[in-house]
Amino acid sequence: GENVEQHPSTLSVQEGDSAVIKCTYSDSASNYFPWYKQELGKRPQLIIDIRSNVGEKKDQRIAVTLNKTAKHFSLHITETQPEDSAVYFCAAIMEYGNKLVFGAGTILRVKS
Amino acid sequence: DAGVIQSPRHEVTEMGQEVTLRCKPISGHNSLFWYRQTMMRGLELLIYFNNNVPIDDSGMPEDRFSAKMPNASFSTLKIQPSEPRDSAVYFCASRARLGTAVQYFGPGTRLTVT
Repeated sequence: GENVEQHPSTLSVQEGDSAVIKCTYSDSASNYFPWYKQELGKRPQLIIDIRSNVGEKKDQRIAVTLNKTAKHFSLHITETQPEDSAVYFCAAIMEYGNKLVFGAGTILRVKS
Repeated sequence: DAGVIQSPRHEVTEMGQEVTLRCKPISGHNSLFWYRQTMMRGLELLIYFNNNVPIDDSGMPEDRFSAKMPNASFSTLKIQPSEPRDSAVYFCASRARLGTAVQYFGPGTRLTVT
């Protein structure tokens, strides 16, 4: 089955700096990779996703890159703001499958 | 659009008591997932349903846990008897149809077993 590893487990950055979170997956059949943001006491919410037919996707300050050959994908947040502080989860799934497999999460702290 | 609805939002109970968590998926969605989140184990998939049928319950920790989905708009997760190690946040999520991957999470139920 799929296994997703995520690092770092915690990340502290200064406001305005960039943050990068990396994930690797094991199942080469996986072709859909979402990222969820979870604020303290709240539900995980989808912030961006990428499918294996593209290498990069951007949405304002957030971007995700995918390297299918190496089986890793990354979340990039530019110009970080205090409200970006949260736990971020990557996940992987074969899009026509059922079980979304999550990474262990990264606690991002943006210091102002 | 009300999103996924869960109740109760918080539950405090004593060890040995039965606990029932409830979930109403987004209308029209036909897949439903139950997750448990703890600091130690992260987000764990417990069980999921497609078209009200349980497909994979391999994540259910033990026989004390059971889940049902009697119709497309309601699911329950029951723990009987509850134990302190069951304390966690339990999330329900729903998905539009098989073949799409986006899951939408409910607000969660924070369970404390004393």
